[in-house]
Amino acid sequence: EPEVTQTPSHQVTQMGQEVILRCVPISNHLYFYWYRQILGQKVEFLVSFYNNEISEKSEIFDDQFSVERPDGSNFTLKIRSTKLEDSAMYFCASSEGAQKLFFGSGTQLSVL
Amino acid sequence: QKEVEQNSGPLSVPEGAIASLNCTYSDRGSQSFFWYRQYSGKSPELIMSIYSNGDKEDGRFTAQLNKASQYVSLLIRDSQPSDSATYLCAVNRSGGSNYKLTFGKGTLLTVNP
Repeated sequence: EPEVTQTPSHQVTQMGQEVILRCVPISNHLYFYWYRQILGQKVEFLVSFYNNEISEKSEIFDDQFSVERPDGSNFTLKIRSTKLEDSAMYFCASSEGAQKLFFGSGTQLSVL
Repeated sequence: QKEVEQNSGPLSVPEGAIASLNCTYSDRGSQSFFWYRQYSGKSPELIMSIYSNGDKEDGRFTAQLNKASQYVSLLIRDSQPSDSATYLCAVNRSGGSNYKLTFGKGTLLTVNP
C-alpha cells in the first residue's frame, strides 16, 4: 500500500526556535493535511491544503504556523517560534479527493 | 464547539467475543463518519467509513450510524488480541473531499487471550 512519509520521526528543539516538519504525500494525491496529537489527547485538525493554497485551518493554526509545498513532492509545516505547548505528535495526511485519508507515521516534536 | 464523545474505557473483552464501541457527536451537519484504530505511538489507521443511516459491514467489523440520535457505533466480532488498541471515532462536516475531521478521544480496547 502507498505511504505518506514523514521526517524526522523525532525532533527536539529549544523554546523559541523554528522547526520545519517534512512530509512526502502519496504521489497522485491532491489534498494534504496536518493534524497533531498532544500526548493523551485527541487528534486535532490543523490545516488542509489544496491546489497550492490553504483550504481550511483551525483556531490552533495561528500566525506561528505556516505550510508550504516547495516542490512537486514535499509538504512542510513550519512552526516559527516554538512554545512548550507545541510539544505533540504531528501527523501529515493526504487524500485523493473523497477517498481514504492516509496518515503518515508522525513526527514527535519535543520543545524544551 | 463541535464535539465527538467516546467512552474512554478501558473496554476489556475476552478473545472471540464481540466488542461494542460507541460515539456521539454534536454537529448535526456532519456528513461522514469514520472509525480509526490507533496503536500506542502510531498513526491512526482507517477501519471503517459510513455515510448513511444503517449498518455497514466489512469482515469482522460493522459500523452503525443513526443521524437522528447523532450516534455512531463499531462492532468487532470474534475479537482478537491484535485488535487491542485505541479506537477513534471521527466525523467530517463535509461530505466531499476536505477531511477536516473532528476526533473523539478514543476508547481503549483490550482483548484478553
